[in-house]
Amino acid sequence: RKEVEQDPGPFNVPEGATVAFNCTYSNSASQSFFWYRQDCRKEPKLLMSVYSSGNEDGRFTAQLNRASQYISLLIRDSKLSDSATYLCVGRLAAGNKLTFGGGTRVLVKP
Amino acid sequence: DAGVTQSPTHLIKTRGQQVTLRCSPKSGHDTVSWYQQALGQGPQFIFQYYEEEERQRGNFPDRFSGHQFPNYSSELNVNALLLGDSALYLCASSFGIAGAGETQYFGPGTRLLVL
Repeated sequence: RKEVEQDPGPFNVPEGATVAFNCTYSNSASQSFFWYRQDCRKEPKLLMSVYSSGNEDGRFTAQLNRASQYISLLIRDSKLSDSATYLCVGRLAAGNKLTFGGGTRVLVKP
Repeated sequence: DAGVTQSPTHLIKTRGQQVTLRCSPKSGHDTVSWYQQALGQGPQFIFQYYEEEERQRGNFPDRFSGHQFPNYSSELNVNALLLGDSALYLCASSFGIAGAGETQYFGPGTRLLVL
């Protein structure tokens, strides 16, 4: 079983709609979680960190559920520019190694 | 303020050859991590360098080795290349190595094709 698992998608989203997707993690020792965004043939870029209390950054909301070991990302009012692969990432408290999921592809269409 | 830079951007090698990839961290960063991203997959951690020493290593064979220089730049070496080594190799830099950690910033990557 992979340490971080994601639905690969693609999620086809009409422009202006809301989309949400999850990832699950198996290592309960993971302390920090992140969502990275990766555009085609580009490097991953940090979208947001994920906190147990939930956090929001503009149209993006992330949530961590430690009891069920999943992380969610919700995108409101989707824009064409939101089309990308969203990578769920975990990090153990010790050291700084990032463990990535396989990514969820989102396609926003007019 | 320069971000993470990597060279070369693209590389074509044949099976059995050796390759060296280079990374310069973001200004002010002292820790470099290397990741391999195969097509359609998420990045996989190879190893991390801090204070010129390998501090952590992922599940990669000894054919993958690295080095960090006093100026914090780093090299990734892969010997005896296999077709399966074809991937995007990403370098990420951060400051410090203790747990709470800084954000890792990724370079644009080196796309390696092994024929």
